[in-house]
Amino acid sequence: QLQLQESGPGLVKPSETLSLTCTVSGGSISSSSYYWGWVRQPPGKGLEWIANIYYTGSTYYSPSLKSRLSLSVDTSKNQFSLILSSVTAADTAVYYCARRQSGSGYIDSWGQGTLVTVSS
Amino acid sequence: QSALTQPASVSGSPGQSITISCTGTSSDVGAYNYVSWFQQHPGKAPTVVIYDVSTRPSGVSDRFSGSKSGNTASLTVSGLQAEDEADYYCMSYTRISAWVFGGGTKLTVL
Repeated sequence: QLQLQESGPGLVKPSETLSLTCTVSGGSISSSSYYWGWVRQPPGKGLEWIANIYYTGSTYYSPSLKSRLSLSVDTSKNQFSLILSSVTAADTAVYYCARRQSGSGYIDSWGQGTLVTVSS
Repeated sequence: QSALTQPASVSGSPGQSITISCTGTSSDVGAYNYVSWFQQHPGKAPTVVIYDVSTRPSGVSDRFSGSKSGNTASLTVSGLQAEDEADYYCMSYTRISAWVFGGGTKLTVL
């Protein structure tokens, strides 16, 4: 059974860098059948797509976050990571990692989510 | 890229049917058959109820159905049950190889 688990600091200071890792268990991140990605949700608000990454390292970013965003994948650790620079209070959100089937809009697995608060 | 447009709220009585619309543009909803719908209960991660416009994953009740016409996709929930009360989000692929969500709709079962 596939499981995704987000990890990283729960508190980040304004202007600093947010770093999160998603650890995949019960399946291989190197499968050609899936894309891996991040979605966030500010408290009390809606979902926002952040980015996707393929096991080869190909990345697809939200235009609104692209200038501050970087995704990477570590197939040896079965993990993928997100780095968001120059954060502000507007980046405070629950961050979810997720798996999407290739060639489809089917997001079939989600992490439980991790709350990241941007505050001094 | 702008969020897809959904009604903020819809409501219905048990046993009734409701439909939630999701309006985009010819660059997203209208361009691809990659529209998904997610259900989210408070404090929980979203789960998919429909993907690729009208495909229902195994394990999802057949009371959920999806369709699309032009730039607008729709999610219909028939035979409303108390457990259907949740937030619902649509999501679409876009021409710039990105994905975009709708603003979300709160479904209240009266």
